[in-house]
Formats: sequence, C-alpha cells, structure tokens
Amino acid sequence: GDSVTQMEGPVTLSEEAFLTINCTYTATGYPSLFWYVQYPGEGLQLLLKATKADDKGSNKGFEATYRKETTSFHLEKGSVQVSDSAVYFCALKIGNQFYFGTGTSLTVIP
Amino acid sequence: DSGVTQTPKHLITATGQRVTLRCSPRSGDLSVYWYQQSLDQGLQFLIQYYNGEERAKGNILERFSAQQFPDLHSELNLSSLELGDSALYFCASSPSTGEGVGGYTFGSGTRLTVV
Repeated sequence: GDSVTQMEGPVTLSEEAFLTINCTYTATGYPSLFWYVQYPGEGLQLLLKATKADDKGSNKGFEATYRKETTSFHLEKGSVQVSDSAVYFCALKIGNQFYFGTGTSLTVIP
Repeated sequence: DSGVTQTPKHLITATGQRVTLRCSPRSGDLSVYWYQQSLDQGLQFLIQYYNGEERAKGNILERFSAQQFPDLHSELNLSSLELGDSALYFCASSPSTGEGVGGYTFGSGTRLTVV
C-alpha cells in the first residue's frame, strides 16, 4: 500500500550545520509530497510541498525535490538555526488521503 | 494561529469513561479530518467529514465516533476509554473534499491522558 518511510531520529546538529532528513515513499498512483513541521506544543504546519516529479518545494531555507526515479523527497537546509528545532514529518497525498511518516525530531544546539 | 480551534487542550480521564473533543475548522473550510498521534503509531488518520457528511474512514475504532454539525464544527467522541487511547488528537481542515494537491490546516491538538 501507500506509505512513507523517513529516517529515524533524533537528530542533533550544531547551529549553521547542514541538514538532511531522508524520506522515501511507496505509492500506487501519482502522489503529491509534503513536509510538515511540528514545533513543541503546536500542531503540524505545512513547510513545503511538491506536486509532480522533479518539482522542488522550498520555504524558510528548506528545500526538497520530488525524485520519482528514487521515490524520494529528502528535506535539506544549508544552515540550521536553533529555531528550527522541531519534529519534521514527510507525507504523501493521494486523492484526499494523507500518509505520514513517523516524524524526525531535530534539535539544533548553539 | 492556524485558524483551526481545538478544545480542550488537555484532558485527563479514567479508564472506561467517555470524552468529547471539539474542533472548529478554519473559516470557509468544509472538510474536517481527525488524526491520532501516539508515540508508537505515529500520525494515524481516523475520519473525515465534508459539509456534514462522513467522507472517508481510516483506522477508527468502533468505540470512537464523530460528527460534523451544520455550523461545520466537529466533535470526536471516545468511549470506554483504555490506557492505550492516551494520545494527541489533531483536527485538520481543508476548503473542499480534500482531493487534489492542497495541504490541510492543523489545529494544535487535544492531549488525552487516560489513567
């Protein structure tokens, strides 16, 4: 069935380090792909999305490219900040159904 | 503030009891979705309502039920509660049936603790 697998956490980085959170998916159709972020005590917020192969989503310095050949949608940021500390969820959407990964916790230390 | 309002923020109750969680969608949104987030299961889709009608069903237990009212707010009823029902329950909303490439807007959740 349709599913998302993302790298296990937690991830701890120093400020200004490079971030990659891996996400791969399995889908029977043509999904849209999303990254959501959950800050402590809050709900999920849409970070970025891509709707077709080779699309790149970007927001707040984060980027992810929809790679159909590797069924991946890895999240990257060139220089993380303390304020980026949160849980990041990769998700795919087919029709009106979202399938979320288990989340990756990121802590950025000064 | 996402525009999706969930109450209460925290709820502590005993096993065997029944609780009701409430969600008001973002203004103009017709669909409401309920999700359960637990440590071992991640984020699981429970149920969707669109303009008062049940639209899609996920991994929702028979002890759980939901409805959407004419003013579009939704309630999730959890009964015969068990310790394993302790989780964060999120509500999300979207403008239409949810088909297509748009994302959903999430509320900040209700944390349910069953003791």
